[in-house]
Amino acid sequence: GQQVMQIPQYQHVQEGEDFTTYCNSSTTLSNIQWYKQRPGGHPVFLIQLVKSGEVKKQKRLTFQFGEAKKNSSLHITATQTTDVGTYFCAGSGAGSYQLTFGKGTKLSVIP
Amino acid sequence: DGGITQSPKYLFRKEGQNVTLSCEQNLNHDAMYWYRQDPGQGLRLIYYSQIVNDFQKGDIAEGYSVSREKKESFPLTVTSAQKNPTAFYLCASSLTGTVNNQPQHFGDGTRLSIL
Repeated sequence: GQQVMQIPQYQHVQEGEDFTTYCNSSTTLSNIQWYKQRPGGHPVFLIQLVKSGEVKKQKRLTFQFGEAKKNSSLHITATQTTDVGTYFCAGSGAGSYQLTFGKGTKLSVIP
Repeated sequence: DGGITQSPKYLFRKEGQNVTLSCEQNLNHDAMYWYRQDPGQGLRLIYYSQIVNDFQKGDIAEGYSVSREKKESFPLTVTSAQKNPTAFYLCASSLTGTVNNQPQHFGDGTRLSIL
């Protein structure tokens, strides 16, 4: 079945440093979504990417979808303590009604 | 406020007991989902329902059962056949369950433990 791998599993950064998490799929994806889960909370939808090579920005967050639609990345510029949490990518293949989640990257920000 | 309500927040199960987790949404969404989250793991799909009176198994359906008699409600029963039920259970919904996946909205979760 479809597998979505996400790295790194953990990332500790000093406040103000940049952060990137990477997502790779074993199969071509029709779309990819990104979610953020704060400690003790539930996942919250951030964004969806659909087109090959797509880049979307939300303030300090930049999301990319690879040309082959098999990988994606989330980059945070100048991290803040409010960025703390686990970031998940989730993808679905063509014709699928299921999202397959990566294991997430847990971000810690040291003030 | 529209949203997804899961109850209870914490649940304890005795050996050999079935327990039911509640999930209610007032977002008028067609599709609903149940996920299991273990520490350090991503979300794994248990069951999903694209429409009332219909549901499909996800990747880890064994030991679980669901029903979808009403659009707003999608209860999950953890049966005694599920040998390792301790986990955080998340219910989600989306406007539709189409191929171009809609964003999923999650409830606050139920934490299930074995006594």
